[in-house]
Amino acid sequence: EVQLVESGGGLVQPGRSLKLSCAASGFTFSNYYMAWVRQAPKKGLEWVATISTSGSRTYYPDSVKGRFTISRDNAKSSLYLQMNSLKSEDTATYYCARQLGAGDYWGQGVMVTVSS
Amino acid sequence: DIQMTQSPSSMSVSLGDTVTITCRASQDVGIYVNWFQQKPGKSPRRMIYRATNLADGVPSRFSGSRSGSDYSLTISSLESEDVADYHCLQYDEYPRTFGGGTKLELK
Repeated sequence: EVQLVESGGGLVQPGRSLKLSCAASGFTFSNYYMAWVRQAPKKGLEWVATISTSGSRTYYPDSVKGRFTISRDNAKSSLYLQMNSLKSEDTATYYCARQLGAGDYWGQGVMVTVSS
Repeated sequence: DIQMTQSPSSMSVSLGDTVTITCRASQDVGIYVNWFQQKPGKSPRRMIYRATNLADGVPSRFSGSRSGSDYSLTISSLESEDVADYHCLQYDEYPRTFGGGTKLELK
């Protein structure tokens, strides 16, 4: 059974950093692009980052480029999102997803609240 | 960036209705559109992939279609379990972009 389990969320002050993790199981992690998608309270979905199978290619929207870094450890079947210089508008539930173009598996989400 | 303009943003529906939700892409995205269903407090669930393909386990009352740059999700004979939010996604180009979402509510 495919499982994606996010962790690392919480309350953080503006300007500070937070690192999210996503533990994958039930499939060959190294064969899939992985992505982070977020959803602000009562808002729509927003794509945040994608990483290639080897980690050599990463993609971001302008809203997080230069502040967020996606990475992976294929040996640990884990995906990460390092979030720096956090802003109040980064407050959201963050989901990891397997190969967003397929979109077939998503984690349960982890809440990040940026507030003083 | 490719804009996915989703309409309507909300819809009041009755059980048994046929419901159509549309996303218009600001430029050609080919077949690379997915549709997701999301219920309160839950993760998105893929319903349609590559514009017209029904995902595994999704009831046959759901269907996807394309007409030019318009992509539609249709629910025939709406059931109570279908009341949810729906989102389209284009994955033809980066940045990936979602539509604004459609909220279905029972009358």
